[in-house]
Amino acid sequence: EVQLVESGGGLVKPGGSLRLSCVGSGFSFSRHSMNWVRQAPGKGLEWVSSITFGSSFIYYADSVKGRFTISRDNAKNSLYLQMNRLRAEDTAVYYCATLTETVAGPSWGQGTLVTVSS
Amino acid sequence: ETVLTQSPGTLSLSPGDRATLSCRASQSVSSSYVAWYQQKPGQAPRLLIFGASSRATGFPDRFSGSGSGTDFTLTISRLEPEDFAVYYCHQYGTSPWTFGQGTRVEIK
Repeated sequence: EVQLVESGGGLVKPGGSLRLSCVGSGFSFSRHSMNWVRQAPGKGLEWVSSITFGSSFIYYADSVKGRFTISRDNAKNSLYLQMNRLRAEDTAVYYCATLTETVAGPSWGQGTLVTVSS
Repeated sequence: ETVLTQSPGTLSLSPGDRATLSCRASQSVSSSYVAWYQQKPGQAPRLLIFGASSRATGFPDRFSGSGSGTDFTLTISRLEPEDFAVYYCHQYGTSPWTFGQGTRVEIK
């Protein structure tokens, strides 16, 4: 069974930083690109960032470019999102998601809530 | 990037009605990489359809997906009370992943 478990969310002040983590299991983590997707309260889904299996290619949404950094540690089956200079509009549930060889279609975690507020 | 536009924004229907949700892409999308999600309040999106027409585990056959190229459709043949929710389409064939803005199916 594919499992993606996010952690690291919480309440942070504007301008602050937070690091999200996502641990994957039930599939060959090191062989797949990984994504972060977020959903602000009452809003739709927004892709945030992606990283290829070997970290060779990294992409960001314009809304987070220059503030967020995606990375991964394949030895730990882990994906990360370092979020700096956080703004109120970054408040959202953050999901990690991927395509695997185990399950047809995209697999998602349950999400971790990030709240940016003074 | 591929922009996905869903219509209508809200669908007001009664239990037993047929629901037809549309998702139009700004450029051709491989049907192998189109998904639909169901989301209920306070829950994560739940994969409903993948590959444009394959139903995910746990969903009954009143849900069906179709389409190709730039036009995709999710059909719920006879709405049950538990089907009232928000539905999103998603293309994952080209980077970046993109999502439609959602269609809310509400009880009339």
